[in-house]
Amino acid sequence: DTGVSQDPRHKITKRGQNVTFRCDPISEHNRLYWYRQTLGQGPEFLTYFQNEAQLEKSRLLSDRFSAERPKGSFSTLEIQRTEQGDSAMYLCASSLARASRDEQYFGPGTRLTVT
Amino acid sequence: DQQVKQNSPSLSVQEGRISILNCDYTNSMFDYFLWYKKYPAEGPTFLISISSIKDKNEDGRFTVFLNKSAKHLSLHIVPSQPGDSAVYFCAASVGGNQFYFGTGTSLTVIP
Repeated sequence: DTGVSQDPRHKITKRGQNVTFRCDPISEHNRLYWYRQTLGQGPEFLTYFQNEAQLEKSRLLSDRFSAERPKGSFSTLEIQRTEQGDSAMYLCASSLARASRDEQYFGPGTRLTVT
Repeated sequence: DQQVKQNSPSLSVQEGRISILNCDYTNSMFDYFLWYKKYPAEGPTFLISISSIKDKNEDGRFTVFLNKSAKHLSLHIVPSQPGDSAVYFCAASVGGNQFYFGTGTSLTVIP
């Protein structure tokens, strides 16, 4: 399977705990995106990387959220001191940025439940 | 602020007929638009895209139309098939960087 993979698929945590999610993009893709999706909404942009550089972060991304892509391959998204409002599906997508097309390929997501 | 809007949360169409899904946007700087399909428990799957320099792009049964003056995007599926039943999201970006998604339209194709 050469698609985008995410781990874990589901995470249940207690409020105040830290969680970390991993995303493995399609190998030749240089861009990697993180999104959050809640029920009845579309994916909401959080941040994106081109290779290992984090180029843009949403103003919605509080300082409790941090993302890394250390070698330009896989990425991690960490949420510190989780709150119930963090419960959502966290989606990762990757793309091969080209001049005219930038189709994003999504992973299956990590569903986070904060109790 | 919702820069991309899908005002119809759901749509039902008979098999074989045309499905038309609509999307409106507010940011005139958007230059790239995409449609995604999403099945339950899966991530969105890319369907079709269009650059702002075009007003139409076709791929098999799927055609996307862009009306820049009206800031309106539509996806036509013809003929519709039961396997097309899914949630459809439109998305837009400036320069292929940050992508803004609509809230989705749930399409049901009735056999």
